[in-house]
Amino acid sequence: AQTVTQSQPEMSVQEAETVTLSCTYDTSENNYYLFWYKQPPSRQMILVIRQEAYKQQNATENRFSVNFQKAAKSFSLKISDSQLGDTAMYFCAFMGFQGAQKLVFGQGTRLTINP
Amino acid sequence: DAGVIQSPRHEVTEMGQEVTLRCKPISGHDYLFWYRQTMMRGLELLIYFNNNVPIDDSGMPEDRFSAKMPNASFSTLKIQPSEPRDSAVYFCASRVLAGASGADTQYFGPGTRLTVL
Repeated sequence: AQTVTQSQPEMSVQEAETVTLSCTYDTSENNYYLFWYKQPPSRQMILVIRQEAYKQQNATENRFSVNFQKAAKSFSLKISDSQLGDTAMYFCAFMGFQGAQKLVFGQGTRLTINP
Repeated sequence: DAGVIQSPRHEVTEMGQEVTLRCKPISGHDYLFWYRQTMMRGLELLIYFNNNVPIDDSGMPEDRFSAKMPNASFSTLKIQPSEPRDSAVYFCASRVLAGASGADTQYFGPGTRLTVL
């Protein structure tokens, strides 16, 4: 079974700084998807960024980018020029190509951006 | 598009009562998922449907939980009888048609916060 681990329960940075959230996963599959979701206090789950494992190029979405290391099974999220609105829980998630089409989530990292 | 719609947003009930949570997926999406979020267990999948048919209900905690999808635009998650340990946020999510651009991405509703007293 796949597992996703986020080793940083909480992080805090100053506004405009860059912050990196860590995520590792375990799977025997070769093709899969990885995601970062953001959950602000409103509790809405919002997709931040997605990565297909068969693509070597790291995904980017404006201030958000990932460092995908397939061999190391690592998928970190970098937030550049952090903003107060980035304050939220961040969840890393895995979905395999085969079998159940379900997301497996990590435990989450609570990120606080301070003014 | 209005996104995934869930109702109610909040539900407070007493132990032993029946609770029904509702979900309307994004039009055209052929997968629908029910998740539960608690502090202790995080986000966990309860059940998912493909083309209105339940595919995997292995995450449903016990017989008190049941889910239906009578048509492509509506699903319910029912708890009968409810217990205090069922208190959680329940999310519904849907996924675009397989093969379409972005087919791998699940879009979540706003969730229903359930409190069982």
